[in-house]
Amino acid sequence: DSGVTQTPKHLITATGQRVTLRCSPRSGDLSVYWYQQSLDQGLQFLIQYYNGEERAKGNILERFSAQQFPDLHSELNLSSLELGDSALYFCASRNQGPLLFGPGTRLTVL
Amino acid sequence: DAKTTQPPSMDCAEGRAANLPCNHSTISGNEYVYWYRQIHSQGPQYIIHGLKNNETNEMASLIITEDRKSSTLILPHATLRDTAVYYCIGVNAGGTSYGKLTFGQGTILTVHP
Repeated sequence: DSGVTQTPKHLITATGQRVTLRCSPRSGDLSVYWYQQSLDQGLQFLIQYYNGEERAKGNILERFSAQQFPDLHSELNLSSLELGDSALYFCASRNQGPLLFGPGTRLTVL
Repeated sequence: DAKTTQPPSMDCAEGRAANLPCNHSTISGNEYVYWYRQIHSQGPQYIIHGLKNNETNEMASLIITEDRKSSTLILPHATLRDTAVYYCIGVNAGGTSYGKLTFGQGTILTVHP
């Protein structure tokens, strides 16, 4: 158990749909990071939140959004899904020290 | 963050030391060298990091050249479970950029019996 939990583990949906991925950081970690890993793009940073506030953005599409709640869990919302959004989505957290990654959510868009 | 270059793949016999090289010739003075690995499709796992000095922990050793343009990750006694993709990343540990890790293609290490 890595301390970072992500749900669901697998998600299969259709193009045009909207999904929400959930992440609970390690206890005490204030920062949450979202990464996307697709076959052709590798691991890419999407967005970071710190204690409820957005801190940094990477290559996140406008169809994607995220937020961090007062209890520090975070959600990544993906809308108008396309086939190319099929990927592994990882959440990571840290307070001090290196990032601790969760097990990921595998999204398949059909 | 510094661009890093790693060989695409390496093999190692079980029980032998695995030495994974990384070139980071453009690394700046305040950038650390971090190593992560990813086993199959699991989340990346932190291994070790260093700035100037060589570092060792329970997982591995990190040797950084004096000019800091390259480094080597050493797994002293590789096991089959060490088969993974290994990523070398330059990280500016200060400010808000930390965590915006730039993962390259990494090195696929295959440990064989």
